[in-house]
Amino acid sequence: NAGVTQTPKFRVLKTGQSMTLLCAQDMNHEYMYWYRQDPGMGLRLIHYSVGEGTTAKGEVPDGYNVSRLKKQNFLLGLESAAPSQTSVYFCASSAARWGETQYFGPGTRLLVL
Amino acid sequence: DQQVKQNSPSLSVQEGRISILNCDYTNSMFDYFLWYKKYPAEGPTFLISISSIKDKNEDGRFTVFLNKSAKHLSLHIVPSQPGDSAVYFCAASGGGSNYKLTFGKGTLLTVNP
Repeated sequence: NAGVTQTPKFRVLKTGQSMTLLCAQDMNHEYMYWYRQDPGMGLRLIHYSVGEGTTAKGEVPDGYNVSRLKKQNFLLGLESAAPSQTSVYFCASSAARWGETQYFGPGTRLLVL
Repeated sequence: DQQVKQNSPSLSVQEGRISILNCDYTNSMFDYFLWYKKYPAEGPTFLISISSIKDKNEDGRFTVFLNKSAKHLSLHIVPSQPGDSAVYFCAASGGGSNYKLTFGKGTLLTVNP
C-alpha cells in the first residue's frame, strides 16, 4: 500500500515547455486534488476531482489543466510553463465522506527557467 | 482575502514544554478543521481534526481547541519533543463537504533539546 505517489520528484523546465505531473493513489479514494506550495503562501488548491471523469477549478487554476481518466490517477498539465509556476506541487486524495482527511503525496519540485 | 490565518510564522519552545499554535478563520461556513504537519521535502501529514460541534479533541500529546465565537482554534502539544519540529498547517472546510480545504500559511515549530 503505497498511498499517494507522485512522478517526477524534481524537474527543470525552460519557459514555454510543457510537462505532465502524474499522481497515483491506491486507496480507492473518490476525491483527488492538486496543490502548489510557495514560500510564505501555504498550500493553494489548483484543481480537484470528485470522481473519475470529473474535474473542477480550485483557487489558482490558470495555466494548468487536469485529467482524471482513471479513478486512481490524476494528471496535472502545464502547456506552456512560466517562471511563476516554479513551485512545489502536491497531490492529495480523500474518501468521499465528510470528515475524511486528505492524504498527500511527497511532492514534485518544479523549476521553470 | 485570507480566510485561514496563522499569524505566527515561527515558534520556538524547549523540549518538554507546551507548544501552542494558533489559527484564526473568517468564514463562518467552515465546520471542519484540521491540523497538518510537514517535514522538509515531504508531503503534509494529517495530525488531528475537530468538527464545529465540538470544542476540544485530544489525541495523545496533541489537543485541538475550537472557539467558534472567536473563530479561533489552537493546537497544543504537550510535552513537546524535538521530533515535533516541523511546519504546522491549519486547514478548514465547510458547507458539509470536506473536499475543499483552505489552508493557512503555516507555522514553523522548532523544539530545542
